[in-house]
Amino acid sequence: GAVVSQHPSWVICKSGTSVKIECRSLDFQATTMFWYRQFPKQSLMLMATSNEGSKATYEQGVEKDKFLINHASLTLSTLTVTSAHPEDSSFYICSASPTGVGSNQPQHFGDGTRLSIL
Amino acid sequence: GQNIDQPTEMTATEGAIVQINCTYQTSGFNGLFWYQQHAGEAPTFLSYNVLDGLEEKGRFSSFLSRSKGYSYLLLKELQMKDSASYLCAVRDLSGGYNKLIFGAGTRLAVHP
Repeated sequence: GAVVSQHPSWVICKSGTSVKIECRSLDFQATTMFWYRQFPKQSLMLMATSNEGSKATYEQGVEKDKFLINHASLTLSTLTVTSAHPEDSSFYICSASPTGVGSNQPQHFGDGTRLSIL
Repeated sequence: GQNIDQPTEMTATEGAIVQINCTYQTSGFNGLFWYQQHAGEAPTFLSYNVLDGLEEKGRFSSFLSRSKGYSYLLLKELQMKDSASYLCAVRDLSGGYNKLIFGAGTRLAVHP
């Protein structure tokens, strides 16, 4: 079945550091990938939609200069948290569904990245 | 805008049946998904409904009524491993592209 790989799975770094998270679709092409953030005991909040070859679409309240998204190929999207601060500590998850198939295809999720900013 | 409501917590007994309800309001409805999420892990897909009615997959069934903006997930023959959060998610087309909007999730605790 469709597999989405996310890397790294865990990051601990100092305040002010920029952190890059990768999301890869391993056995399918994805024109669109999605980035979510999840705080403890809360649900997934959509941050942005990553579009291959064009600018990402950000949800209301998400700073695009803070969370840089690049979708350079049909199998890779990256999220960079710039100048991370403790309040950015969270569980970041990406998802994707195969391009060109019907809308009943579910989004497949990566295993998530737990980001801790000291 | 979008609004998705589901109960925060539920408890049930091993071997029993539990129904988790979800109500939603969205202007661009294009399907409803149920996901299971264990603590610290990514969500896994359970079921999908886009037309009214019941979809059955083994011990899990999901129902949709588009006119009522209502869905439920039914879990039968509960097992301890079913203790998890269950997320109702609506696929929304109102922004011009498909995106999944998640409810807050229902934490289900299965006890012996």
